[in-house]
Amino acid sequence: KQEVTQIPAALSVPEGENLVLNCSFTDSAIYNLQWFRQDPGKGLTSLLLIQSSQREQTSGRLNASLDKSSGRSTLYIAASQPGDSATYLCAVRRWGGSEKLVFGKGTKLTVNP
Amino acid sequence: DADVTQTPRNRITKTGKRIMLECSQTKGHDRMYWYRQDPGLGLRLIYYSFDVKDINKGEISDGYSVSRQAQAKFSLSLESAIPNQTALYFCATSDSPGQGKLSFGSGTRLTVV
Repeated sequence: KQEVTQIPAALSVPEGENLVLNCSFTDSAIYNLQWFRQDPGKGLTSLLLIQSSQREQTSGRLNASLDKSSGRSTLYIAASQPGDSATYLCAVRRWGGSEKLVFGKGTKLTVNP
Repeated sequence: DADVTQTPRNRITKTGKRIMLECSQTKGHDRMYWYRQDPGLGLRLIYYSFDVKDINKGEISDGYSVSRQAQAKFSLSLESAIPNQTALYFCATSDSPGQGKLSFGSGTRLTVV
């Protein structure tokens, strides 16, 4: 059974700092991995999707990496801003076309001005 | 206007009542999903649909039913609500299984008393 873990559960940093959020998964037979952002009272916004054949994806100040062999993904946020404050979730899709995404419980990020 | 719209945003209902949550989308996606989010448990898939004639159970479908009235509409029903169905419910859409990039609605906060 696939399990997805995100550590830490919460993180507080000063504005301008570069930071890394971690996601680990127990079964390396994944199809893809996604990072989402969730703001209070709102739904999830897809940030980056990494296919199993890829090592990383970049969008603006965000960079996500994937190491299937070790069961890890990281989300790197450069030059953090207060507007980056949100909960970040990762989710993996199992190889074989399963529609089920297994979500981590998220890391709540606070960027202080 | 939001691409994925959920109604109502908030609902309080009594145990035993029937309730319907509605979802509509303007993204033109074929695939639609219902998730619930509980503190400490993450997001879990309830039902999903690939098109109007297709309905599939997710990991926690007991106590729920769905209807895909049109490509753009997917509703979730609780036939007889119980307190442990109190949660945040999300509708999501996807354009294909390969990418699987999900677009979420803003959620419905349901409280069963």
